[in-house]
Amino acid sequence: GENVEQHPSTLSVQEGDSAVIKCTYSDSASNYFPWYKQELGKGPQLIIDIRSNVGEKKDQRIAVTLNKTAKHFSLHITETQPEDSAVYFCAASIRGGNQFYFGTGTSLTVIP
Amino acid sequence: ETGVTQSPTHLIKTRGQQVTLRCSSQSGHNTVSWYQQALGQGPQFIFQYYREEENGRGNFPPRFSGLQFPNYSSELNVNALELDDSALYLCASSSSGGIDNEQFFGPGTRLTVL
Repeated sequence: GENVEQHPSTLSVQEGDSAVIKCTYSDSASNYFPWYKQELGKGPQLIIDIRSNVGEKKDQRIAVTLNKTAKHFSLHITETQPEDSAVYFCAASIRGGNQFYFGTGTSLTVIP
Repeated sequence: ETGVTQSPTHLIKTRGQQVTLRCSSQSGHNTVSWYQQALGQGPQFIFQYYREEENGRGNFPPRFSGLQFPNYSSELNVNALELDDSALYLCASSSSGGIDNEQFFGPGTRLTVL
């Protein structure tokens, strides 16, 4: 099956700085890569996703990049705000499959 | 549009007992997936239900079972509870079988096994 690794496990940034979270995957058949934000006591919320036919996608302060050759994808958050503080998970799904394989999460703290 | 709801929010059981968790999918969605999230870990896929049939299963023993009803709501049943079953159980709904569509997660049920 697929194996997704995520780094770093914790990340602290000053408000206004950028944050980058990186993930690698093992199965070249993976073709869909969502990112989820999970706040305390809540379920994961989809914040952005990317498919394997696209190299980069941006939505306001959030962007995701995908390098299929190297099998890694990254989440970039610019102009961070305290409300960005949460645990972020990357995930991958294999073409034709029916499950997400999640990374172990990154706890992001934005210091005001 | 109604989001994904789960009940109960918290549950405490003792080892060996059985538990049933419930999930109502988002309006218009016919697929429900269940995940187990241990503390400090990412969610792990348990199984998926599509049009009332199991449509894939992760690496979980048979004492984890499920159902999906005609209104697409779903149940997760766990028999012979073990201490390691303590976790947050998440359900996610999507608009078709498989994984090519976005999955929307509920808030989860926190299960504690003593």
